Amino acid sequence: AQSVAQPEDQVNVAEGNPLTVKCTYSVSGNPYLFWYVQYPNRGLQFLLKYITGDNLVKGSYGFEAEFNKSQTSFHLKKPSALVSDSALYFCAVRGPSGGSYIPTFGRGTSLIVHP
Amino acid sequence: AAGVIQSPRHLIKEKRETATLKCYPIPRHDTVYWYQQGPGQDPQFLISFYEKMQSDKGSIPDRFSAQQFSDYHSELNMSSLELGDSALYFCASTPSNAGSHEQYFGPGTRLTVT
Repeated sequence: AQSVAQPEDQVNVAEGNPLTVKCTYSVSGNPYLFWYVQYPNRGLQFLLKYITGDNLVKGSYGFEAEFNKSQTSFHLKKPSALVSDSALYFCAVRGPSGGSYIPTFGRGTSLIVHP
Repeated sequence: AAGVIQSPRHLIKEKRETATLKCYPIPRHDTVYWYQQGPGQDPQFLISFYEKMQSDKGSIPDRFSAQQFSDYHSELNMSSLELGDSALYFCASTPSNAGSHEQYFGPGTRLTVT
């Protein structure tokens, strides 16, 4: 079975500081990893994904994530946080081709960026 | 660019009533997923369809059913509604059922059961 852990319910950071939202996963085989952002009363929006290739993935709004196979992690990062980045962030994992195509989501991390 | 459309956006029903939620995927997307998200919860997968056939089933109650039509839109039918069914219901679509595709989510339908 595949699973995702987001160990922090909430991350607080000051505007202009770097931010990290943590995600670890468990899946058989090579994973497909995703980050989504959700603003209040809105659907999830895709930020970035890792399928294969370079371990550092760049996505929307200046976000990036680093795939670390040995640590089974896929942490979301941004060099300089904005107040408008405040939202709920979900990490998700899908099994490789031949396994379940249904993603498993983490429980979400609330990012709060203070002015 | 066209996005996933869901209707209605808000729905208020009483216990034991029925509800139908509709989802219109992005054009040329043939795979649709339904999720339920309770307050402060992660999205829980209910059911998915690929090329009008059910492809995966998650934690969908027996009181719920869904289908995908020839134009690829999907409907989630909910009967004998319970207070616990109050949640945000999201539909998402992908251009195929391959695992490498990110999902495109609709804005959701907020169902309130009183």
